[in-house]
Amino acid sequence: GQSLEQPSEVTAVEGAIVQINCTYQTSGFYGLSWYQQHDGGAPTFLSYNGLDGLEETGRFSSFLSRSDSYGYLLLQELQMKDSASYFCVIARNRDDKIIFGKGTRLHILP
Amino acid sequence: GAVVSQHPSWVICKSGTSVKIECRSLDFQATTMFWYRQFPKQSLMLMATSNEGSKATYEQGVEKDKFLINHASLTLSTLTVTSAHPEDSSFYICSAEDGTDTQYFGPGTRLTVL
Repeated sequence: GQSLEQPSEVTAVEGAIVQINCTYQTSGFYGLSWYQQHDGGAPTFLSYNGLDGLEETGRFSSFLSRSDSYGYLLLQELQMKDSASYFCVIARNRDDKIIFGKGTRLHILP
Repeated sequence: GAVVSQHPSWVICKSGTSVKIECRSLDFQATTMFWYRQFPKQSLMLMATSNEGSKATYEQGVEKDKFLINHASLTLSTLTVTSAHPEDSSFYICSAEDGTDTQYFGPGTRLTVL
């Protein structure tokens, strides 16, 4: 079978740093992506990790460890507009299918 | 950047009628498009994968005769919800791949079936 686990909710303070973890179990793992979705909107792409290590894009960084079947999204200098749901998404090379995690709701306090 | 549009953005219909949703990649060619459904406060669930010029591949539990998908060109895929019922009310989102392992999502279509 396959599974994706991420926390359902995380709360942080404006200006702080927050890490959202994702563990997965699947066959034919190809890569890990992160998407952001604001209420009522469509998901927007944040990052992709095909190889182990850290990918940095501005205030957002994403990490992947294939051997641990684990990844995380790191958000720095949190802003109120970062309040949204964040989905970890795995891609499988066997059938080109992508699978969404259940999402982590990020609440940011002023 | 890659832009994907959907039309309509919202639709209300009576039970038993059919609704067509269009998904277009505006500035790139998409050999593969995906259709998702999202219920309130839940994650996106992949319904089907649509490849240009061939039949769509449906996920387990998705009725292909109810959710008709047509991918007639490299920039257009359509999803038709046939004989819609209230339980089909949902947020339907399409995405398109640009060949770089990145999916670009449309803005979604809110379907309400009365």
